[in-house]
Amino acid sequence: GQNIDQPTEMTATEGAIVQINCTYQTSGFNGLFWYQQHAGEAPTFLSYNVLDGLEEKGRFSSFLSRSKGYSYLLLKELQMKDSASYLCAPMDSNYQLIWGAGTKLIIKP
Amino acid sequence: GAVVSQHPSWVICKSGTSVKIECRSLDFQATTMFWYRQFPKQSLMLMATSNEGSKATYEQGVEKDKFLINHASLTLSTLTVTSAHPEDSSFYICSARDGDRGADNSPLHFGNGTRLTVT
Repeated sequence: GQNIDQPTEMTATEGAIVQINCTYQTSGFNGLFWYQQHAGEAPTFLSYNVLDGLEEKGRFSSFLSRSKGYSYLLLKELQMKDSASYLCAPMDSNYQLIWGAGTKLIIKP
Repeated sequence: GAVVSQHPSWVICKSGTSVKIECRSLDFQATTMFWYRQFPKQSLMLMATSNEGSKATYEQGVEKDKFLINHASLTLSTLTVTSAHPEDSSFYICSARDGDRGADNSPLHFGNGTRLTVT
């Protein structure tokens, strides 16, 4: 079956760094997306990884290891507005995104 | 960047009535649009894939006669919730890939969602 495993909730301090881990199992693989979703809002695209390694985009970086079925999202210099849910969404062989419940990140001052 | 517009943002309707939700791609053409539903603290659930000029593809367990989808143009898809019941109350979100870029692994761009409350 297809499965995604992310922590349900994480707490971090403003200005700090946090890493959100994601492990997945899919039928085939065509890359992995990370989305940010604020409460009551639709998801917004953060990053896409299809090859192993680290992709850096400003304060956010995403890492992928295909052999391990593992990805992480790294957020630096945390701001209060980063409080949101972060969704790890791998894409299967049919180019369908597989969604988990995401990780709710709480930023404290 | 690609923009998807969804309307209305929220709607309250009485049980038994129908509600139409519109999803538009504003600066690109979308041959395929996706309709999701999300209950509080749960993951996005794909309801159906809307295909321009042809019938939508519904996921298992989603009633096609209850959730009518029309994708009449390359920029507009509509979802109509017919004979709504309180259990249909949810957050409905549409999304699309930028069809002009073509790639199946292009990121999904989401509309702002529609919060439906059925009383």
